[in-house]
Amino acid sequence: DVKVTQSSRYLVKRTGEKVFLECVQDMDHENMFWYRQDPGLGLRLIYFSYDVKMKEKGDIPEGYSVSREKKERFSLILESASTNQTSMYLCASSLSRQSHSNQPQHFGDGTRLSIL
Amino acid sequence: LAKITQPISMDSYEGQEVNITCSHNNIATNDYITWYQQFPSQGPRFIIQGYKTKVTNEVASLFIPADRKSSTLSLPRVSLSDTAVYYCLVGGQNSGYSTLTFGKGTMLLVSP
Repeated sequence: DVKVTQSSRYLVKRTGEKVFLECVQDMDHENMFWYRQDPGLGLRLIYFSYDVKMKEKGDIPEGYSVSREKKERFSLILESASTNQTSMYLCASSLSRQSHSNQPQHFGDGTRLSIL
Repeated sequence: LAKITQPISMDSYEGQEVNITCSHNNIATNDYITWYQQFPSQGPRFIIQGYKTKVTNEVASLFIPADRKSSTLSLPRVSLSDTAVYYCLVGGQNSGYSTLTFGKGTMLLVSP
């Protein structure tokens, strides 16, 4: 069974700090995703990556960057955290982009980030 | 991007069939429709996916009309453990992952 592990369940940081959220998947998936989830807004895609060192912007990339140096690890970086980035962050992975069908995503259990 | 609309909440009783409809009027030709289930403090979990007509698996059915402007997730004989938030997702890798759009979710409450 696919396991997507996010390094922290809860995280509290201060405004202006550089914040790293880490995600690791154990099934050799090519695609990895970062979402944020807010009440009333559902899940919104921040960034995704379909290969090592490759990244694409999602709907709301402003204020975020990502890093994918190894296939199994996808990091989300808040360059200078702000209070409006307080949210639940979800990482996901899916098998491959080399398929005509849409690959189901496997999600981690999320990191609840509070920026004070 | 597809604009996704689904009901905010639904109520049901154990043993009933539940149908949750998702509206996606501007779905693109290459977009798939995927449904996820989410329990509190957990990430979403894949339920079912389809492109057109009807898809059925061991837990749900997905009905997609010919115009593909909507889809209906059908849960047969729900139990208390089906209480969760259900998300409709439109888009996919053939359209480019940047087109992935989740609905805002439907909170399903199943009562005894």
